[in-house]
Amino acid sequence: AQSVSQHNHHVILSEAASLELGCNYSYGGTVNLFWYVQYPGQHLQLLLKYFSGDPLVKGIKGFEAEFIKSKFSFNLRKPSVQWSDTAEYFCAVNEDSGYSTLTFGKGTMLLVSP
Amino acid sequence: DARVTQTPRHKVTEMGQEVTMRCQPILGHNTVFWYRQTMMQGLELLAYFRNRAPLDDSGMPKDRFSAEMPDATLATLKIQPSEPRDSAVYFCASGPPGQEWGEQFFGPGTRLTVL
Repeated sequence: AQSVSQHNHHVILSEAASLELGCNYSYGGTVNLFWYVQYPGQHLQLLLKYFSGDPLVKGIKGFEAEFIKSKFSFNLRKPSVQWSDTAEYFCAVNEDSGYSTLTFGKGTMLLVSP
Repeated sequence: DARVTQTPRHKVTEMGQEVTMRCQPILGHNTVFWYRQTMMQGLELLAYFRNRAPLDDSGMPKDRFSAEMPDATLATLKIQPSEPRDSAVYFCASGPPGQEWGEQFFGPGTRLTVL
């Protein structure tokens, strides 16, 4: 069974700092990769996704992620965070097949101080 | 703006009571997923359906949990009898046909507290 590891449970940054959240997965085959965000008290929303093609994926709100197949990683980045980015971020993976479900990481709670 | 809806948004109940949570997937979506979110375990997949048929419910405690899709516009998750350890946020998500391995669209969740 595949697993997803997010290295940091909590990250605290000041506004304008750069962000990188780590995500590694265990499955060796072809995968689809996702980052979801959950703002306080809200449901999960898709930030970005990778299915194929350019391994550098750009998402909403200035986020991007890079798929590095050799490292089984899909790290999320943002050059300059804002207070409104305070949220929990989830990396998720599924196999590129018809009946595979998403496996989520445990999440990283990002707190951005103004 | 199509969204997944869930009711109730909050539920407080006593141990031993039956709890029913409802989900309306986005119209036209044919996959439905139930997740449970807790601080300790994060997001856990409980069950999922494709074209109303249950494909996997291995994540669900069988003795007390049951999930059904009476029709394409309604999915239900029942807990009977409920226990304090069932306290969590339960999310429903749906996905469009032909993209079962793609993006899932999440509902706002039902926050369940079992006393």
